Amino acid sequence: SQQGEEDPQALSIQEGENATMNCSYKTSINNLQWYRQNSGRGLVHLILIRSNEREKHSGRLRVTLDTSKKSSSLLITASRAADTASYFCATDNLRSVQGAQKLVFGQGTRLTINP
Amino acid sequence: DTEVTQTPKHLVMGMTNKKSLKCEQHMGHRAMYWYKQKAKKPPELMFVYSYEKLSINESVPSRFSPECPNSSLLNLHLHALQPEDSALYLCASSQDLGHDEQYFGPGTRLTVT
Repeated sequence: SQQGEEDPQALSIQEGENATMNCSYKTSINNLQWYRQNSGRGLVHLILIRSNEREKHSGRLRVTLDTSKKSSSLLITASRAADTASYFCATDNLRSVQGAQKLVFGQGTRLTINP
Repeated sequence: DTEVTQTPKHLVMGMTNKKSLKCEQHMGHRAMYWYKQKAKKPPELMFVYSYEKLSINESVPSRFSPECPNSSLLNLHLHALQPEDSALYLCASSQDLGHDEQYFGPGTRLTVT
């Protein structure tokens, strides 16, 4: 079953505007990650925020985490056409006996940046 | 080299065929993963290998058979697949046990006829 629920499912904005995507999850987590996927291709890791962190920045990306509400948000500032992609949150909430990571992905937000 | 490569990029196979998907990384990562992704859906974990041993099998049907010949290679052997197995198959790797960031390959687009 999928851990994360994202909203909106689709978001279309003008270039230069900010884009905000939200992710909610159900169980306790070790960390939460955001990935980007261009159409039909592999995923690219964007940012990781640990359960004891509340906010993290990377370039034009800002991620927040509220463990009390079991939610996270991804903000992309000054959007560009190249930001057009699907964005997934992924939670790491279970490890095997050997400690291998198990990521569970949210449903994703399809972001379109209009020139 | 921070690349995960996957071959082939596209594969069309009949339900009686046997084929294999290949994944390779040269980043020295010790954990490798197979995911399945249907159109407009998120990736779903299939298998995890850590230190060349199968660590997680997400109750995947036996017609999918993973293999990790060495620390750089991960294969997925396919046999007697069904049309509903058509999907994008993604390989990923991460540095070591408990290391969090995963690096994904571009995927193999599989069509079962």
